[in-house]
Amino acid sequence: GESVGLHLPTLSVQEGDNSIINCAYSNSASDYFIWYKQESGKGPQFIIDIRSNMDKRQGQRVTVLLNKTVKHLSLQIAATQPGDSAVYFCAGVSGNTPLVFGKGTRLSVIA
Amino acid sequence: GAVVSQHPSRVICKSGTSVKIECRSLDFQATTMFWYRQFPKQSLMLMATSNEGSKATYEQGVEKDKFLINHASLTLSTLTVTSAHPEDSSFYICSALTRDSSYGYTFGSGTRLTVV
Repeated sequence: GESVGLHLPTLSVQEGDNSIINCAYSNSASDYFIWYKQESGKGPQFIIDIRSNMDKRQGQRVTVLLNKTVKHLSLQIAATQPGDSAVYFCAGVSGNTPLVFGKGTRLSVIA
Repeated sequence: GAVVSQHPSRVICKSGTSVKIECRSLDFQATTMFWYRQFPKQSLMLMATSNEGSKATYEQGVEKDKFLINHASLTLSTLTVTSAHPEDSSFYICSALTRDSSYGYTFGSGTRLTVV
């Protein structure tokens, strides 16, 4: 979730399968949520975001689901490719406050 | 889209020396920048918020005299690690608050600091 500083859990997925990465958040006041992808040695890269008044948003090969009742976000990646291998973080945003990142999940795609 | 240029990408320095990391916003003005630190296999941890023309706001536990932040212009923020020690070795990343379609946060490419 939005606690930080913990070691990353890992998700291994076969190439071509769908991936689901989960995130729990604690701040109910967040206006929107963002998913980032971080490859080794690089800064975070924006993937998709969702406003707090939405339940679902789709992008190219990615879908974000938001369940405010249980404070849960998920990122679904369709037809996972080797290039999707990275660490994925969720972040909640309220106004212009700095992003607070969740602990992240390492996605490993098995060819 | 908005781009933040971070330099250097890698730096190795000796213990006791200081290192300056620069983040520049290209083609937009960044009144606010955030500095993060990331240790191996861990998440990004916010160090400080930098506002143009004013003093930075540091997170609890971050030494402001050790991590000097300067945001003297709308396109440049710098982080200086003073009297660096091996435990300061980390990946430092800046983020600028923007107004583009990605809802405001653009990241630099990061700086890998190794103190020997």
